[in-house]
Amino acid sequence: KNQVEQSPQSLIILEGKNCTLQCNYTVSPFSNLRWYKQDTGRGPVSLTIMTFSENTKSNGRYTATLDADTKQSSLHITASQLSDSASYICVVLITGGGNKLTFGTGTQLKVEL
Amino acid sequence: NAGVTQTPKFRILKIGQSMTLQCAQDMNHNYMYWYRQDPGMGLKLIYYSVGAGITDKGEVPNGYNVSRSTTEDFPLRLELAAPSQTSVYFCASRGGGDGEKLFFGSGTQLSVL
Repeated sequence: KNQVEQSPQSLIILEGKNCTLQCNYTVSPFSNLRWYKQDTGRGPVSLTIMTFSENTKSNGRYTATLDADTKQSSLHITASQLSDSASYICVVLITGGGNKLTFGTGTQLKVEL
Repeated sequence: NAGVTQTPKFRILKIGQSMTLQCAQDMNHNYMYWYRQDPGMGLKLIYYSVGAGITDKGEVPNGYNVSRSTTEDFPLRLELAAPSQTSVYFCASRGGGDGEKLFFGSGTQLSVL
């Protein structure tokens, strides 16, 4: 069982609309949580990195939130653009043990006209 | 900076053949990683290196080997290719002034037939 679960698996929205992607994790001890954007045929690109003490972090139209108590994170995309079409991956860094990153399977977002 | 450069972008191998996936970074990062990404799965760590001359196994190292003779280069070697190694391979690096942020290459699509 993957220790980082993302939902929904896929999502289609209209250009200009907002959306929120979810990430639940069970890994511990937890060091930080990251969100990556992966365009088709490309490597992942970092959007945000949050430590357990941070509740929110923004990067332009992307805002990530973190609730370390419930082990949940969300990525909110505002005023979506066609270029936002991509896979969004939640990644958790486990403290110790070689600083292991655990990757979610991603949410595939498609933004349409 | 070119960032993380991977070659080749695509490759088809026959069962039992060997090949080396090349990875180079020009950001003077100490940490380098090799991941594989299978359809519907999160990225899995194959091998990683914390500096020149130092490498260690990740989650799925069987069938692969690595070396790190310089800070810049981190090649991944497949000795006896098997169909189970059909995947997309990503190299990544982090370190220096970039801190925890992980930079990925654009990937190598490998098919073993």
